[in-house]
Amino acid sequence: SYELTQPPSVSVSPGQTARITCSGDALPKQYAYWNQQKPGQAPVVVIYKDTERPSGIPERFSGSSSGTTVTLTISGVQAEDEADYYCQSVDSSGTFVVFGGGTKLTVL
Amino acid sequence: EVQLVESGGGLVQPGGSLRLSCVASGFTFTSYWMHWVRQAPGKGLVWVSRIHYDGSNTTYADSVKGRFTISRDNAKNTLYLQMNSLRAEDTAVYYCARDPYGEGVDSWGRGTLVTVSS
Repeated sequence: SYELTQPPSVSVSPGQTARITCSGDALPKQYAYWNQQKPGQAPVVVIYKDTERPSGIPERFSGSSSGTTVTLTISGVQAEDEADYYCQSVDSSGTFVVFGGGTKLTVL
Repeated sequence: EVQLVESGGGLVQPGGSLRLSCVASGFTFTSYWMHWVRQAPGKGLVWVSRIHYDGSNTTYADSVKGRFTISRDNAKNTLYLQMNSLRAEDTAVYYCARDPYGEGVDSWGRGTLVTVSS
């Protein structure tokens, strides 16, 4: 079955840039979505279609894609950005949906 | 404002059944694919099932195929998940989510907790 691979954790100091990667064989062909989840809350989409930012999401959140890897970048990280981040996409046929294992972002 | 409100969760014994509902409002329900996604306690998000706008196309994760059935009533703006032959490993918060293109979720409900235990 298709898998998306994320690092389990990323740590940065406030004001620095955090980069969270997600790798999958179908990513050159299929879009990726990024979800932020804070403890006890439902997920919130912060990036869709690799690079698009929904209304209401701060400009410090951006997405990029290169080959089989997509990256969520948070510039000027703030304490409130501490959360779990999950990438999501579909397999090469577009049939099955998959989430990455999640990355815990810690703001030091 | 987009709203997705799940209900129907609760405690059920192994082997039992449960039907989850998700009432949608604030958008044109018939223009969106819909998904169920679950999250076991302390674990990550796991996709469960997806249904096309008109209900003609459904797909399931291998872990629930043959036991769960996704459906929708577009007249009632409601998504369903019928869960049969429940197992302890089905214990999770179940989220309803909408998807405009059939490839990615753009909005989530708050979830409903399902606990499978004797």
